[in-house]
Amino acid sequence: EVQLVESGGGLVQPGRSLKLSCAASGFTFSNYGMAWVRQAPTKGLEWVATISYDGSSTYYRDSVKGRFTISRDNAKSTLYLQMDSLRSEDTATYYCARQVGAPYWYFDFWGPGTMVTVSS
Amino acid sequence: DTVLTQSPALAVSPGERVSISCRASEGVNSYMHWYQQKPGQQPKLLIYKASNLASGVPARFSGSGSGTDFTLTIDPVEADDTATYFCQQSWNDPWTFGGGTKLELK
Repeated sequence: EVQLVESGGGLVQPGRSLKLSCAASGFTFSNYGMAWVRQAPTKGLEWVATISYDGSSTYYRDSVKGRFTISRDNAKSTLYLQMDSLRSEDTATYYCARQVGAPYWYFDFWGPGTMVTVSS
Repeated sequence: DTVLTQSPALAVSPGERVSISCRASEGVNSYMHWYQQKPGQQPKLLIYKASNLASGVPARFSGSGSGTDFTLTIDPVEADDTATYFCQQSWNDPWTFGGGTKLELK
């Protein structure tokens, strides 16, 4: 059974940093692209970042480029999201998702999410 | 960015058929996918590439469309289908989601 479990969320002040983790199990982690998708309170879903199966390629939405860094450790079956210079608009539940690769790019399994609140 | 427009909410009775629409601001070929999100839960993939049923999803769910207009159909609707349904396109960069359609059962 595919399982994705996020951790590392919490309350952080604007301008500070936070690092999210996602522990994967139940599938061969190194064979799949992975992504972070966020959802602001009572809002819709927003893709944040994607990393290829081997970590060689990364993709970001414009609003987080230069502030967020997606990475992975295939030996540990773990995905990461380093979030720097956080803003109030980054407040959301962050979901880790397994992503089917090119050309389809859909998200076939999701974790339960971890909440990030950016506030002073 | 490609904007995906969905109706905010629908209300149907159990046993009925419901169609949930998603309109894209520009063509997305057939690269449209659908997700179900129940309250307090993570999204779940229902349909990929417009009309392909994801593994384990009941055959009551189906998808259709191409270009700019897409539809998710549930027939018949069951009480457990109360949820918000999101469409997502992966043809244009960046990948975007619709605002979601909240399905309520009468």
